[in-house]
Amino acid sequence: ETGVTQTPRHLVMGMTNKKSLKCEQHLGHNAMYWYKQSAKKPLELMFVYSLEERVENNSVPSRFSPECPNSSHLFLHLHTLQPEDSALYLCASSQGITSGGWFFGPGTRLTVL
Amino acid sequence: AQTVTQSQPEMSVQEAETVTLSCTYDTSESDYYLFWYKQPPSRQMILVIRQEAYKQQNATENRFSVNFQKAAKSFSLKISDSQLGDAAMYFCAYRGYMEYGNKLVFGAGTILRVKS
Repeated sequence: ETGVTQTPRHLVMGMTNKKSLKCEQHLGHNAMYWYKQSAKKPLELMFVYSLEERVENNSVPSRFSPECPNSSHLFLHLHTLQPEDSALYLCASSQGITSGGWFFGPGTRLTVL
Repeated sequence: AQTVTQSQPEMSVQEAETVTLSCTYDTSESDYYLFWYKQPPSRQMILVIRQEAYKQQNATENRFSVNFQKAAKSFSLKISDSQLGDAAMYFCAYRGYMEYGNKLVFGAGTILRVKS
């Protein structure tokens, strides 16, 4: 498998559920990111991990909890979500300072009922 | 803070014709990267082309080229010989040069429709 993969591709959950989104990069990159893409809004950066440490958290509600166990894997744990959290969640990776481009996963389409 | 503006919510082009998508940005940095990403209906974000701010020469990638005007903070994308597969949402993006894990700032996107 190459590039950046995300699972699941689609997720429907109730507001009381707990679920996790998974991202895996096979590019040897050292930085990973979670973005949220809502309809008619620019992509919003949620979390940045560099060398497995969180370096940025853009005022994301605590019902979203990221985890980066190693440089290849990134999780987004979800609990007690709201319907307005329904969106496409994109994972991306890059190679730090020298990276020119970022590589994105296919995204997880999340629907909160 | 850096901002990226795409003033064209939607554009249309006839197949085989040329179209230009506009992007402007605001930054106080002198070194940075600029990108164009394509997001087709499949939702996968695909890097189309990138430009390093210190390079005066405009980047080209097959049918895709940019017009980078650093003083004007403008970064437009030209698609030549448009194809049906070019139909997608196009995002302009900015990234600072030196920091680890520096965030990619996106514009709101431009929907490109290609007519046959």
